[in-house]
Amino acid sequence: NAGVTQTPKFQVLKTGQSMTLQCAQDMNHNSMYWYRQDPGMGLRLIYYSASEGTTDKGEVPNGYNVSRLNKREFSLRLESAAPSQTSVYFCASSEVSAWPGNTIYFGEGSWLTVV
Amino acid sequence: QKEVEQNSGPLSVPEGAIASLNCTYSDRVSQSFFWYRQYSGKSPELIMSIYSNGDKEDGRFTAQLNKASQYVSLLIRDSQPSDSATYLCAVNSGAGSYQLTFGKGTKLSVIP
Repeated sequence: NAGVTQTPKFQVLKTGQSMTLQCAQDMNHNSMYWYRQDPGMGLRLIYYSASEGTTDKGEVPNGYNVSRLNKREFSLRLESAAPSQTSVYFCASSEVSAWPGNTIYFGEGSWLTVV
Repeated sequence: QKEVEQNSGPLSVPEGAIASLNCTYSDRVSQSFFWYRQYSGKSPELIMSIYSNGDKEDGRFTAQLNKASQYVSLLIRDSQPSDSATYLCAVNSGAGSYQLTFGKGTKLSVIP
């Protein structure tokens, strides 16, 4: 049971480089999410995809783009990385949405450092 | 701006005691409430969800919700060292909202 799988787990980028975080879920969930977690800031939603073919901005979308490639896969792209994007990134999925209480399942996280 | 507030802690309790974790939220239309546990270096995992006023029990965990006071809490009975983690409160604003708003978490330390 893989659940939500993210790659890579660790990455060091130079300022201005681009990269894509990959996420796949095998639970046949409709909704997928990208969060970032920073010390003292908690988990903040970057983008989400309520269903295949749709994406919407969350609380902190600036500097990121997403692609819902199919029902299983939801990628997060940093076009020009900045030190402020140093963070732990979590992909998550849920069956319909977080209402009325479908469980959000998180991936193991991707540790990104921008130098 | 929807806000979810938690005491950052650390909250230290002796093994076997009751740990009480609190959370307040600002959005009155919030409908569903969650408690996640996060061990250091790991991803959050759901331990409780609650939607109606009152108490909900699951093993050693009890979630309490008071919508009038915009308050949700988590009690952990017979605390164990393995309960030492950061506990995140999360709130969803209801139908049509796909977004969970998380608190910053309370770090719990259970002392053997």
